[in-house]
Amino acid sequence: EAGVAQSPRYKIIEKRQSVAFWCNPISGHATLYWYQQILGQGPKLLIQFQNNGVVDDSQLPKDRFSAERLKGVDSTLKIQPAKLEDSAVYLCASSFTGKLFFGSGTQLSVL
Amino acid sequence: DQQVKQNSPSLSVQEGRISILNCDYTNSMFDYFLWYKKYPAEGPTFLISISSIKDKNEDGRFTVFLNKSAKHLSLHIVPSQPGDSAVYFCAVLSGNTPLVFGKGTRLSVIA
Repeated sequence: EAGVAQSPRYKIIEKRQSVAFWCNPISGHATLYWYQQILGQGPKLLIQFQNNGVVDDSQLPKDRFSAERLKGVDSTLKIQPAKLEDSAVYLCASSFTGKLFFGSGTQLSVL
Repeated sequence: DQQVKQNSPSLSVQEGRISILNCDYTNSMFDYFLWYKKYPAEGPTFLISISSIKDKNEDGRFTVFLNKSAKHLSLHIVPSQPGDSAVYFCAVLSGNTPLVFGKGTRLSVIA
């Protein structure tokens, strides 16, 4: 069974630029999550989708972050404009019965 | 305000000995507890879990203990192997609330 796919693996941008991350969850998983993991901290939930609807986006900085999950499968997370403090690993996860399966993440460096 | 605390950022253990990783939580409403393991450049992977109705769950070399009165859980790995060297995250769940992670403990198993 294929795991959660994420791209790109690494991204380096300058502050105020925009960036987008892509996630393809495990086939059949209705729930998709985006987490932000800053160095030295645990993953923090940014947004949770159930199919193509948003379940929880209370911790998403909506002035600069946006996410969508059109057709209830793939998802993209965008940051516009990026700030230095956005440097982190962005993890996508999907679940079917409550157990989360994570992708390898996208490591973002904002210079 | 941290809801999940892993107070030891790192731990070194000799191969073959027991590794004990600790986690404290603040909210007595949490009812499901999980441990995730993370290797560098990979996403976290589920390791073992326990529900609040139990005080112990064992899976091979891994055992999780839950002390509800102390709001404390621990992960025991015995015997420890070099391949166990990773960052271990404690995570907690309550009803429909999203998974909340601790900051992680980096375990190094020395051969």
